[in-house]
Amino acid sequence: GAVVSQHPSRVICKSGTSVKIECRSLDFQATTMFWYRQFPKQSLMLMATSNEGSKATYEQGVEKDKFLINHASLTLSTLTVTSAHPEDSSFYICSARRRALNTEAFFGQGTRLTVV
Amino acid sequence: QKEVEQNSGPLSVPEGAIASLNCTYSDRGSQSFFWYRQYSGKSPELIMFIYSNGDKEDGRFTAQLNKASQYVSLLIRDSQPSDSATYLCAVNVGSNDYKLSFGAGTTVTVRA
Repeated sequence: GAVVSQHPSRVICKSGTSVKIECRSLDFQATTMFWYRQFPKQSLMLMATSNEGSKATYEQGVEKDKFLINHASLTLSTLTVTSAHPEDSSFYICSARRRALNTEAFFGQGTRLTVV
Repeated sequence: QKEVEQNSGPLSVPEGAIASLNCTYSDRGSQSFFWYRQYSGKSPELIMFIYSNGDKEDGRFTAQLNKASQYVSLLIRDSQPSDSATYLCAVNVGSNDYKLSFGAGTTVTVRA
């Protein structure tokens, strides 16, 4: 299966700082990537859809100015959590999917963000 | 109504038994259905996908899809302790959308 690499796997930051998470599609061109957040014992919640060369589409309730998404190339999307607060502590996961209906989504390894 | 619903569990089965997981979805236009396994602290990994009504078997796993009933299930035969994980049902939302909607997941524990 395709490989999606996410970095870093774990990060601890101070409240008020910003954190950037990278998601790379290693063996196919991902015109669309998805960013999810998962709190303990809860399911994946889609935050936004990242489209190469255009603005990301955010789900209802997700602050686009707080969670900045950049998809500058066909293999890289980044999520920046700005002015992080302890309530932003979560597991952030990216996924990439070929742009066709009957294809699976491949997930990155996830990033455990802890804001102290 | 949630787009994708699953029993949260936990589902406890003895080793060697069959684990049966159920998932219902609300959008009749959905065409692609996926089962992912997620170990604690890890990201999901794909187990099965199914697009057509009926059964699809892959090793110890069988996915069953009934679009008329808007129901998809996963059977795990000869359950092993290593199958203990949370199983997520994912559905392609609508007929022209590339987003996947996930259920809350069913936690499975296989007792040795």
